[in-house]
Amino acid sequence: GAVVSQHPSWVICKSGTSVKIECRSLDFQATTMFWYRQFPKQSLMLMATSNEGSKATYEQGVEKDKFLINHASLTLSTLTVTSAHPEDSSFYICSASLSGGVQETQYFGPGTRLLVL
Amino acid sequence: AQKVTQAQTEISVVEKEDVTLDCVYETRDTTYYLFWYKQPPSGELVFLIRRNSFDEQNEISGRYSWNFQKSTSSFNFTITASQVVDSAVYFCALRDLEYGNKLVFGAGTILRVKS
Repeated sequence: GAVVSQHPSWVICKSGTSVKIECRSLDFQATTMFWYRQFPKQSLMLMATSNEGSKATYEQGVEKDKFLINHASLTLSTLTVTSAHPEDSSFYICSASLSGGVQETQYFGPGTRLLVL
Repeated sequence: AQKVTQAQTEISVVEKEDVTLDCVYETRDTTYYLFWYKQPPSGELVFLIRRNSFDEQNEISGRYSWNFQKSTSSFNFTITASQVVDSAVYFCALRDLEYGNKLVFGAGTILRVKS
């Protein structure tokens, strides 16, 4: 149980294009999903928290107009990197939890590697 | 402020050795949760354990064991008889109410197990 998938696993795009990454909870309903970014040999940094049916909460320093998050259902959240630039190249990981409560375990997806040329 | 410190950047051991990964945390909350995750080269984070602040019992799961000590704010992870497949980055993480239930990760420890 507690399986989270991400699609695509790899994406290469040209500078200026937009890229959409999907995060799905496969065997449970996730009220809350989280989006992280990880640079090589670094830890995970939380970008935003999304709750089903409401606007995402972004961390300080994360541009909400650049990283659009939609959590339209209890099993799907999407992250769209708009007008991507080479500095957006990174490993993006989502996680999902049942309720988002402090006691809840977050289960992580396999991640998406984005390379912007 | 919430903080997780994993002072060991990288550890190398030979197969079958025991290895302990250190984790020290800071929080002002009395209710909090601690986690360990494993990130193999494939990149996916694998959940290993969750421990709440009111349960200081040590836990053993196969070759893995965890030592939670509130007196020293530590939650150390030991792998007994390490194997090459244990090679990965291991993250310790903290979640408490004050920080809005967000996971705060340590910097991670790279474990290399050589055959």
